[in-house]
Amino acid sequence: EPEVTQTPSHQVTQMGQEVILRCVPISNHLYFYWYRQILGQKVEFLVSFYNNEISEKSEIFDDQFSVERPDGSNFTLKIRSTKLEDSAMYFCASTSHGTYDGYTFGSGTRLTVV
Amino acid sequence: RKEVEQDPGPFNVPEGATVAFNCTYSNSASQSFFWYRQDCRKEPKLLMSVYSSGNEDGRFTAQLNRASQYISLLIRDSKLSDSATYLCVVNDWGAGGTSYGKLTFGQGTILTVHP
Repeated sequence: EPEVTQTPSHQVTQMGQEVILRCVPISNHLYFYWYRQILGQKVEFLVSFYNNEISEKSEIFDDQFSVERPDGSNFTLKIRSTKLEDSAMYFCASTSHGTYDGYTFGSGTRLTVV
Repeated sequence: RKEVEQDPGPFNVPEGATVAFNCTYSNSASQSFFWYRQDCRKEPKLLMSVYSSGNEDGRFTAQLNRASQYISLLIRDSKLSDSATYLCVVNDWGAGGTSYGKLTFGQGTILTVHP
């Protein structure tokens, strides 16, 4: 079964440092997403990406966040200057056209900001 | 009002029991609906899509009532392996012409099935 792959599985960083979270979506999918889940809370939408541009973003996705699809396979989330409150599980997801298909999520990157 | 609201539980049931989860959503323009399950500290995994006509997948039955903005999931003959958090998820794909399929998650309902 095709998978969404995320690396690293766990990242520890100091407050104020930049981090890049990496994702390889399913190869024939066209729509890509980042979600996050703070421990004990619900999964929250961050950003959607289609046709090489951001199509929608949430209030959480401020100027400290950016996304990029640098080549035909990778999809990255960059946090420029991390804060303690950025500590969370970050999930990448992709879909070919998800109206009724649902999305496939990667196994996540646990980001810990210290 | 929360966008997607679920009874957080927890539900503790014996093996073989039938358990039902309920969910309400606030956006009447929502396009499609899903139940995902999430094991502890893992990614959400699609359990089933939810259709207006109701749909069944083995021991799992999902129902959607668009008029009441209500979604349900019924699990029959519970197994130990059904222990997880069940997430009600709403997709606003195309709503208002600008959405590219943002998923909105409920808080999740915790299910523990014991021997």
